[in-house]
Amino acid sequence: EAGVVQSPRYKIIEKKQPVAFWCNPISGHNTLYWYRQNLGQGPELLIRYENEEAVDDSQLPKDRFSAERLKGVDSTLKIQPAELGDSAVYLCASSRLAELTDTQYFGPGTRLTVL
Amino acid sequence: AQSVTQLDSHVSVSEGTPVLLRCNYSSSYSPSLFWYVQHPNKGLQLLLKYTSAATLVKGINGFEAEFKKSETSFHLTKPSAHMSDAAEYFCAMYSGGGADGLTFGKGTHLIIQP
Repeated sequence: EAGVVQSPRYKIIEKKQPVAFWCNPISGHNTLYWYRQNLGQGPELLIRYENEEAVDDSQLPKDRFSAERLKGVDSTLKIQPAELGDSAVYLCASSRLAELTDTQYFGPGTRLTVL
Repeated sequence: AQSVTQLDSHVSVSEGTPVLLRCNYSSSYSPSLFWYVQHPNKGLQLLLKYTSAATLVKGINGFEAEFKKSETSFHLTKPSAHMSDAAEYFCAMYSGGGADGLTFGKGTHLIIQP
């Protein structure tokens, strides 16, 4: 089966510019996650969707970050405006079940550099 | 507080020798524990997971890990390292009790010497 697809793989922008990341989860996976991975750190959860509903967005900086999952399939994560500290790898993952013990399958990530 | 600590930021072993990557956790509940591997420019891949069944868990590529509640540890081992094992390894935990998601350690970079 095809894995989790993310685009773009790399993005370089200047601070205060907007940026968007796209994720296509594995077919049939109802749960989708967005993580941020800072250099030298493990991933940190930003938001979790069950179908099209955001069930956990407590770690999402809502002043500049937004996310959507239209029709419960693809998802987009947006930052507006970007800050220098947003430079990181943004990972998307999906799982078949809603239980957090279910295996999460990760995409390759989008590496964002904010200048 | 829930946390995962990977005790070594870098581990270097010779090809063909055993691998030990250490992970300790702190949780108020009975956790589920995971090991993921990340090769350069690739997504994280699940190696194995513990979810309250057998304490010795076997995973892919010859890796295994043992859940030791008394030591709050979940160390990853492999009897014989291969060059292709060189990667970043992450220990992660779902602590339950309504936790938001997986808590990851900072990672251990595994270096394989020829």
